[in-house]
Amino acid sequence: GNSVTQMEGPVTLSEEAFLTINCTYTATGYPSLFWYVQYPGEGLQLLLKATKADDKGSNKGFEATYRKETTSFHLEKGSVQVSDSAVYFCALSDREGGGSYIPTFGRGTSLIVHP
Amino acid sequence: GAGVSQTPSNKVTEKGKYVELRCDPISGHTALYWYRQSLGQGPEFLIYFQGTGAADDSGLPNDRFFAVRPEGSVSTLKIQRTERGDSAVYLCASSATGDRPPDTQYFGPGTRLTVL
Repeated sequence: GNSVTQMEGPVTLSEEAFLTINCTYTATGYPSLFWYVQYPGEGLQLLLKATKADDKGSNKGFEATYRKETTSFHLEKGSVQVSDSAVYFCALSDREGGGSYIPTFGRGTSLIVHP
Repeated sequence: GAGVSQTPSNKVTEKGKYVELRCDPISGHTALYWYRQSLGQGPEFLIYFQGTGAADDSGLPNDRFFAVRPEGSVSTLKIQRTERGDSAVYLCASSATGDRPPDTQYFGPGTRLTVL
């Protein structure tokens, strides 16, 4: 079956530091890949997505590239802000066995950014 | 515009009781998903509706869990004979079509269920 593995947190950084949150996946088909973010007290919201190999998703200064050869979708940001403190979830969506597109989520990585 | 809403935001019940959790999706969205999120984990898929019908209920853990969407909009997740292990945050999400390419899911704030 499908699975998503992301680095354990919390990741603690100072403001303006470079961020990488690693994500690797296992899928039976050709999945679409996503990063979701959950800010304190809020629901999950889509941050970015990529639907095929070598696609780069980007939003709010965050980027992730769909790497099929390494089955990875690492999240990066060049300069984090305190307001980026949140929990980040990597996810894939795939039609296992030709059925519906059902998402599989990683466990989440907490990011804490200090001023 | 209004997003996905879920009621109640918190529900405390006793072991063995019956609970209903409600989800109001974004108007016009045909696809609706229920997830369960335990502490320190990512959302775990429970059931997916396309319109009024359950297109995939493979994530429901056992027959104590049931969900309906009778008019293709509001959905209710029903849990019978609740157990302490059912304690979690129950998330609902909706998307416009649920089709390829997988379109964006919009999540509600969740219902925190505590079974004493």
